[in-house]
Amino acid sequence: KAGVTQTPRYLIKTRGQQVTLSCSPISGHRSVSWYQQTPGQGLQFLFEYFSETQRNKGNFPGRFSGRQFSNSRSEMNVSTLELGDSALYLCASSLGQGPSTDEQYFGPGTRLTVT
Amino acid sequence: GDSVTQMEGPVTLSEEAFLTINCTYTATGYPSLFWYVQYPGEGLQLLLKATKADDKGSNKGFEATYRKETTSFHLEKGSVQVSDSAVYFCALAFYNTDKLIFGTGTRLQVFP
Repeated sequence: KAGVTQTPRYLIKTRGQQVTLSCSPISGHRSVSWYQQTPGQGLQFLFEYFSETQRNKGNFPGRFSGRQFSNSRSEMNVSTLELGDSALYLCASSLGQGPSTDEQYFGPGTRLTVT
Repeated sequence: GDSVTQMEGPVTLSEEAFLTINCTYTATGYPSLFWYVQYPGEGLQLLLKATKADDKGSNKGFEATYRKETTSFHLEKGSVQVSDSAVYFCALAFYNTDKLIFGTGTRLQVFP
């Protein structure tokens, strides 16, 4: 079956702009999680959506937001971009019972560069 | 807070050498522990996991044992291959939450 897809794969934005990233989970998966990966901070959890509801949230400012649609596809939005938002943004999908029970499958990521 | 600490890389080995990547954790409860691998240009893949103390996770020749007394989950492989070159992440998660807490990653480079 098809894996997790993320669009776009690469993005260049200017400081102050906003950006929307998209994630399509594996068919049948109801949970989508987002992570930010940077050389300095490593992989950090942003938030998780399950059946259109935010179930968990990481320690990021309110400029980072997300949503999930009824088909489980998810979008992540970052407003008022800062240079420090340059990162690889990964999404992961699962059945939603937690990685202890069911595997999280990661997409290839969206590489965001803020200039 | 909950956290994962990994040895810094890169780890550079010759093919067929023995591999150990150290991982220790700090957690307020009893998490499940994971090793993920990231090959160049790809997303993360689950390599192995252990959900309770003394469990051993294994996959593709890699092994790690959940040691509650030392709060550790070291990754080992008896004989590495060039194709094992990648970045390895140790992580923890609590039951019934999809939030993974990752270590900083350890780059492994295997030369023929």
